[in-house]
Amino acid sequence: EAQVTQNPRYLITVTGKKLTVTCSQNMNHEYMSWYRQDPGLGLRQIYYSMNVEVTDKGDVPEGYKVSRKEKRNFPLILESPSPNQTSLYFCASSLGGFRNTEAFFGQGTRLTVV
Amino acid sequence: GNSVTQMEGPVTLSEEAFLTINCTYTATGYPSLFWYVQYPGEGLQLLLKATKADDKGSNKGFEATYRKETTSFHLEKGSVQVSDSAVYFCALGNNAGNMLTFGGGTRLMVKP
Repeated sequence: EAQVTQNPRYLITVTGKKLTVTCSQNMNHEYMSWYRQDPGLGLRQIYYSMNVEVTDKGDVPEGYKVSRKEKRNFPLILESPSPNQTSLYFCASSLGGFRNTEAFFGQGTRLTVV
Repeated sequence: GNSVTQMEGPVTLSEEAFLTINCTYTATGYPSLFWYVQYPGEGLQLLLKATKADDKGSNKGFEATYRKETTSFHLEKGSVQVSDSAVYFCALGNNAGNMLTFGGGTRLMVKP
């Protein structure tokens, strides 16, 4: 089954404790991206990747890191989480870019930083 | 930069009522426009899309027309069902293809 898989689904952590949210897709997609969803703001892009070893900032990259060492995986790293990073996070992938082809989303990771 | 504005919800309708959710955008170049739907506890799913002016996207009884003159992409359905209850997002795909810009989302609740 074609899918984007995120882990964990739920996470509660403390301020400053490094964490990683994993994202994996099995569709051989070139493009991958991370979004955060906050009430009334829709989804905002954090980082994106157009291919292995090619990543770039989105609209809200502060406090986040990513890497793309393999085509299928695109982990999101919070080196020192803060309470304002409490949010619902989605990973997305697309075969030929987000303008021309459908974006597939993971089920989301709800992160709470206390 | 690009932006998308959609009507705030929640929108509450009775089953079989007509639905309109307004969406307007500002963008440079020639973006694509999308409607994504999010059911409770799930990720977003593509509902329909339009890639150029005057295109009409349609799926599952929903439709939207890409209107460049009014910079709009309003979502419509003639007769909603309880199963259509979800959050609907209007989105814009930029020329470079590296970003989707989303509106704030509109929650639709359909009552039997």
